[in-house]
Amino acid sequence: AQSVTQPDIHITVSEGASLELRCNYSYGATPYLFWYVQSPGQGLQLLLKYFSGDTLVQGIKGFEAEFKRSQSSFNLRKPSVHWSDAAEYFCAVANQGGKLIFGQGTELSVKP
Amino acid sequence: GAVVSQHPSWVICKSGTSVKIECRSLDFQATTMFWYRQFPKQSLMLMATSNEGSKATYEQGVEKDKFLINHASLTLSTLTVTSAHPEDSSFYICSAGGRGQGYGYTFGSGTRLTVV
Repeated sequence: AQSVTQPDIHITVSEGASLELRCNYSYGATPYLFWYVQSPGQGLQLLLKYFSGDTLVQGIKGFEAEFKRSQSSFNLRKPSVHWSDAAEYFCAVANQGGKLIFGQGTELSVKP
Repeated sequence: GAVVSQHPSWVICKSGTSVKIECRSLDFQATTMFWYRQFPKQSLMLMATSNEGSKATYEQGVEKDKFLINHASLTLSTLTVTSAHPEDSSFYICSAGGRGQGYGYTFGSGTRLTVV
């Protein structure tokens, strides 16, 4: 069965520091992968997605993610975190029916 | 870009009453809509999938008689929580996908339901 694992429930980084949020997936076919961000009490905003092609994907707000098939990973990165990046981040994979399967989420806190 | 409007953003209702939540695609035709439920500090749980003009498909364990979903047009889907009880209190989020949208469905802003 398809699944997504985000090993880190909560991460704290200092403002200006680099960030990497981990995501591992289990999916038999070529995965369609996504990263979403959710602010408290809000819906989800798409940061970036990977369907095929270049394994390094650029997204909005300065985020990027790298698809590594050999590691079944799709980690999200940002070179310099801003206080406004504090939020919940969800990694997801789309199954053949188009349904999104979400990871448990990683809560990001940013220290001033 | 694609925009999905969800209303209301929050609602408080008395136990035993019904509540309707609307999800509208503003600038595209939403052929498929998904309804999720999210508990505090948890991930999204898919409740049901609806395609325009057909009956919704519910995930295992979701009571279809309690959570009525209607997708009568390409721009509107509604979720009605019938005979609501305190345990139905949650954050409900819709997402819509349509022609040309591909995957990466656009999400509504969510509805916080509190049943008292």
